[in-house]
Amino acid sequence: ELKVEQNPLFLSMQEGKNYTIYCNYSTTSDRLYWYRQDPGKSLESLFVLLSNGAVKQEGRLMASLDTKARLSTLHITAAVHDLSATYFCAVVPISSGSARQLTFGSGTQLTVLP
Amino acid sequence: NAGVTQTPKFRVLKTGQSMTLLCAQDMNHEYMYWYRQDPGMGLRLIHYSVGEGTTAKGEVPDGYNVSRLKKQNFLLGLESAAPSQTSVYFCASSYRFDREVNEQYFGPGTRLTVT
Repeated sequence: ELKVEQNPLFLSMQEGKNYTIYCNYSTTSDRLYWYRQDPGKSLESLFVLLSNGAVKQEGRLMASLDTKARLSTLHITAAVHDLSATYFCAVVPISSGSARQLTFGSGTQLTVLP
Repeated sequence: NAGVTQTPKFRVLKTGQSMTLLCAQDMNHEYMYWYRQDPGMGLRLIHYSVGEGTTAKGEVPDGYNVSRLKKQNFLLGLESAAPSQTSVYFCASSYRFDREVNEQYFGPGTRLTVT
């Protein structure tokens, strides 16, 4: 059974600080997704990581993927209040076949304090 | 281009009642998915479809049925609702996996309460 573990589950940080969210998964995967969810809202796609060593950046967020370590990170630089949300990673195991089913982590609830 | 839409947005059911949730997408996606999200958890896959007329079970299919009679629509049915089915339901759609990115696009969600 595929397990996707995120840590931390809850994160409070001061504006202007840096921090990293970790996503570990337990099986071979060839792609990983990061999503953002605001309270009461749907999921918004942030990044799609397709290969080992992939790095993508958008604004203050940067995501990376190490398929050998089965680890992805989401790094936050100089946090601002607008980044407060819940962040999910989701993994597509190679064994999932043609449907490319996503398995989600439990999410990291980020609160950026003034 | 509306993307992925879901109907209804909110619903309260009594135990034993039935209902159908409708998902529609206008992006000509081949694949469609139904997930549920419970507090403090990520999304869990209920059922999915890789094409018109085909459906398959996901991680938590018990108590649900689905149908995909048209490519753009994916219906989720609860035949006899139970309190354990209180959740937020999300529909998603994507292109076939052999496209490079195969990103899933999510609908706005349906908040269901079963009393």
